[in-house]
Amino acid sequence: AQSVTQLGSHVSVSEGALVLLRCNYSSSVPPYLFWYVQYPNQGLQLLLKYTTGATLVKGINGFEAEFKKSETSFHLTKPSAHMSDAAEYFCAVSVSGYSTLTFGKGTMLLVSP
Amino acid sequence: DSGVTQTPKHLITATGQRVTLRCSPRSGDLSVYWYQQSLDQGLQFLIQYYNGEERAKGNILERFSAQQFPDLHSELNLSSLELGDSALYFCASSVVGRADTDTQYFGPGTRLTVL
Repeated sequence: AQSVTQLGSHVSVSEGALVLLRCNYSSSVPPYLFWYVQYPNQGLQLLLKYTTGATLVKGINGFEAEFKKSETSFHLTKPSAHMSDAAEYFCAVSVSGYSTLTFGKGTMLLVSP
Repeated sequence: DSGVTQTPKHLITATGQRVTLRCSPRSGDLSVYWYQQSLDQGLQFLIQYYNGEERAKGNILERFSAQQFPDLHSELNLSSLELGDSALYFCASSVVGRADTDTQYFGPGTRLTVL
């Protein structure tokens, strides 16, 4: 069975600082990996996903993530945080095309001026 | 706006009662998913339907059931409600239900409070 661990339930950064949200997965087969964002009182929105091919994946709003098989990681980064990035971020894994998503517990990103 | 609609937005009910949550997928999407989000359990997959048929089941309690109708809308029925069922229930939809090619679009959720 697959699982996802997100390190840090809360991450605080200053506006303009680097954002790094950590995600490690456990899977016995090559996974598909996803990052979703949830703004207050809204549903989840896909930021980016890795299925096959290039391991560095670019998403919306300037976010990107790199799939590192040797480290079983898929960390999310953004060079410069903006106040509007404050939200909860979820990493998710799927182990096949038809399998469902398993989500991590989420990381709340707080951005201070 | 994801194009997925959920009603009602809020629901307050008492223990032991039964409620129905409704979801309309995005136009053209054949697959519907239900998730439960709570503080202690996080975001958990409950069940998936594809074109009217159940495709996958997750951590769904026996007191809960769902169906997808011919017009592709879906309903999640929760019965014999307990305090612990209080949560945010999300519906998501995707074109054919494949994780590698599809994107799951989430609705705004229904917040259920059981008193």
